[in-house]
This record gives sequence, structure tokens and C-alpha cells, in this order.
Amino acid sequence: QQQVKQSPQSLIVQKGGISIINCAYENTAFDYFPWYQQFPGKGPALLIAIRPDVSEKKEGRFTISFNKSAKQFSLHIMDSQPGDSATYFCAARRAGNNRKLIWGLGTSLAVNP
Amino acid sequence: EAGVTQSPTHLIKTRGQQATLRCSPISGHTSVYWYQQALGLGLQFLLWYDEGEERNRGNFPPRFSGRQFPNYSSELNVNALELEDSALYLCASSLPDPVGGELFFGEGSRLTVL
Repeated sequence: QQQVKQSPQSLIVQKGGISIINCAYENTAFDYFPWYQQFPGKGPALLIAIRPDVSEKKEGRFTISFNKSAKQFSLHIMDSQPGDSATYFCAARRAGNNRKLIWGLGTSLAVNP
Repeated sequence: EAGVTQSPTHLIKTRGQQATLRCSPISGHTSVYWYQQALGLGLQFLLWYDEGEERNRGNFPPRFSGRQFPNYSSELNVNALELEDSALYLCASSLPDPVGGELFFGEGSRLTVL
């Protein structure tokens, strides 16, 4: 049972456009929501993360928006560049000592030049 | 500083055989995580080791096992290999009590079961 649902599965954006990836979760006992970026042949790397007491976090061109009541969070990539072409994973971590991350299935982003 | 290193990069086995994958965490990291990344299935959590002990386990059969050594490196063993075990196996490490919970991933070991 997928507890973190990620959409879309794939996304094509023109250079300079905005890429938006959405995630929805079911369990309210999550306390940490990271986004990871994975390039082909590489392992995922942390891009940006947010905790539920914050509604938005911005780091450069990357922004996480968090809606606790709707149990949704999204990644916005402003001014998308061809170098942003990668697979993006959202995740959610259970509160407490479990520390198990529940992952979305990923979004393959292609930014056309 | 060296990142998480995994070996071998690629491994080809036949059904019924055993596979052993190895991981060296970043220096100072005591937690090691194993994930399976199969095509279209995202990252599936396998195992979490911390200070030499198994802390958590994902929904995988017992033929998936591992251990963590005193130097915090780790080994993942897959017994009685099945075709559907073909996947990229990723190892990640983290600090004992990570601020922000960041995982640092290696580049993975690609296991192919024929």
C-alpha cells in the first residue's frame, strides 16, 4: 500500500518554465518531508526538505509548499534548466525512533532546451 | 571526504544463487540503510542498521539479510535469488542522530538475476 502518492509520473517542461511535482500522504504521523533528486547512474541526493510546522521553504530555484490540512506537499522548480532533468522523489518520515522513510514512486523530469 | 561507496557496481547471478553486496558509509556515520530500486517501483526500504544492530526491516522475505560490522560498513545478502530480485540496490548512511534526517546515498549495485 503506497502511503505517499506522487504525481505526475513524468513531466516535460520547456527551459525557463516552472516544474511542479505533487505528493500526497495518508498518515498524519509524519514529521519530515524531503525531496531527493536522482540523476541516471547516481544515487538520490537530498534536494530540499520541510517539517510540518512550516508552510513553505525556498532554496534558490527550488520551493517546497506544504499543506498540512490537505496532507499534500509539492516541489516547484522555477526557471527550469536542462540540468534539472532527473528523477525526483518525495518522501515522508514517521515521527519517533522508527525513522523509516516512505517514498513516492518518483517523477521523471525532462527540461527541453 | 569520501562519500558512500558500494561494491560491486554490477553483479550477474543465476536463479537460486546467493548475492553479497557491500557498503562503506561516510566517515562518522553510524547508520546504514539498504534500499531496493526496481524499475517503476521507486525506492523500497530493506534494512536499517545502527551501531551494529538491525533497527528496522522492510517488507521483504527473510532471504534478504545483512549485517553491520564494527567499522560501520555493511553487507547485504540475498539468498535463493529470484528473477524479480533484479534491481539496483542502494546503500545510504546518516549521522547517529541526523539533523534534518539527511540520507547520503551511494551509486548502487546493479544486480541482474538470470
